[in-house]
Amino acid sequence: NAGVTQTPKFQVLKTGQSMTLQCAQDMNHNSMYWYRQDPGMGLRLIYYSASEGTTDKGEVPNGYNVSRLNKREFSLRLESAAPSQTSVYFCASRKGANTEAFFGQGTRLTVV
Amino acid sequence: QQQVKQSPQSLIVQKGGISIINCAYENTAFDYFPWYQQFPGKGPALLIAIRPDVSEKKEGRFTISFNKSAKQFSLHIMDSQPGDSATYFCAASIETGGGNKLTFGTGTQLKVEL
Repeated sequence: NAGVTQTPKFQVLKTGQSMTLQCAQDMNHNSMYWYRQDPGMGLRLIYYSASEGTTDKGEVPNGYNVSRLNKREFSLRLESAAPSQTSVYFCASRKGANTEAFFGQGTRLTVV
Repeated sequence: QQQVKQSPQSLIVQKGGISIINCAYENTAFDYFPWYQQFPGKGPALLIAIRPDVSEKKEGRFTISFNKSAKQFSLHIMDSQPGDSATYFCAASIETGGGNKLTFGTGTQLKVEL
């Protein structure tokens, strides 16, 4: 099993460019999450999704949009990238409440 | 606003010593408290977890102590080893209208020295 797969692993964007980070899981999990990790800030929740077609804002949703395309895939879109969005982005999934969350390997994004 | 507060930010422990990391929360509706371990360049991975109806959970050298009245929980690593050097995150889970939300602390960088 691949688990949680994120693409791309690295990306450099210019300010104002847009891009979509892809995430797919093959564990038939219901819940999926997007986090950003910055030094000293820990993992901050951007958006989460309980099921296909359902999404909700986390702690830091501004500047991002998400799509839960189907049960497997949860994408994160930056419409107009800003240097403040330079970070490592992690996607995670879990079966439901009170269960283990599985993380992808992360996407290192630099906005110049 | 950080819903789960974690301390210390960094910790250096001698091999064989005890590492202790603390977390505190405000929302009493949190119902699941996991700890994750992260090595450089990798995603976090579950280490151990506890529910609020239990005061302690032990798995090998790792123990969670949970104090519901104080709204605090801690991770104890006994006989710390250099291989335990990593970043540790506490987290808390809550059921919301949009699903189950998993919120993390700010992390603790642990270094175990020989």
